Amino acid sequence: EVQLVESGGGLVKPGGSLRLSCAASGFSFSDYYMNWIRQAPGKGLEWVSSISDSSADRYYADSVKGRFTISRDNAKNSLSLQMDSLRAEDTAIYYCVRDRGGAAAAGLLGYWGQGTLVTVSS
Amino acid sequence: DIQMTQSPSSLSASVGDRVTFTCRASQSISGSLNWYQQKPGRAPQLLIYSTSKLERGIPSSFSGSGSGTEFSLTISSLQPEDFATYYCQQSYSAPYTFGQGTKLDIK
Repeated sequence: EVQLVESGGGLVKPGGSLRLSCAASGFSFSDYYMNWIRQAPGKGLEWVSSISDSSADRYYADSVKGRFTISRDNAKNSLSLQMDSLRAEDTAIYYCVRDRGGAAAAGLLGYWGQGTLVTVSS
Repeated sequence: DIQMTQSPSSLSASVGDRVTFTCRASQSISGSLNWYQQKPGRAPQLLIYSTSKLERGIPSSFSGSGSGTEFSLTISSLQPEDFATYYCQQSYSAPYTFGQGTKLDIK
């Protein structure tokens, strides 16, 4: 069974930093693209970032480019999101998501964690 | 970036009704359109991918169609558990943008 467990969320002041982690199990982690998706309170879904299986390709939403860094450790089955220069508008639940797999799987969001809440406030 | 626009933003319907949601892309995305369902307090769930392919375990009452820039999701006969928010998303090119969602509630 695919399991994705996020951690690292919490309250941080504007301008601060936070590092989110996602522990993956139940599948061959190194075979899949991974993603971060966020959802502000009461709002819709926003794609944040994706990373290829080998880490060769990384993509970011314009809203986080230059501030957030996605990375993975295939030996530890772990995905991370380093968030710097945080703003109030970054407040959201952050979901760790595995691609579905199969052809044309990049960006196809098949398995979701339960999310971790990040609150940016003074 | 590709913009995704869903309509309507909300919809009231009754159990047993047939409902259709629409999603429009700002440029052609071929067939790379996916639909997700989200219930309150829960993570989203993939329903349909590549326009019309039903994800494993999803009832056949759900179906998708479209091409190019216009897509739709149809629920043929609403069940109580179908009342939720539905999002379309394009996986044609990064950034993999979502529509703003359609909230389906009970009339």
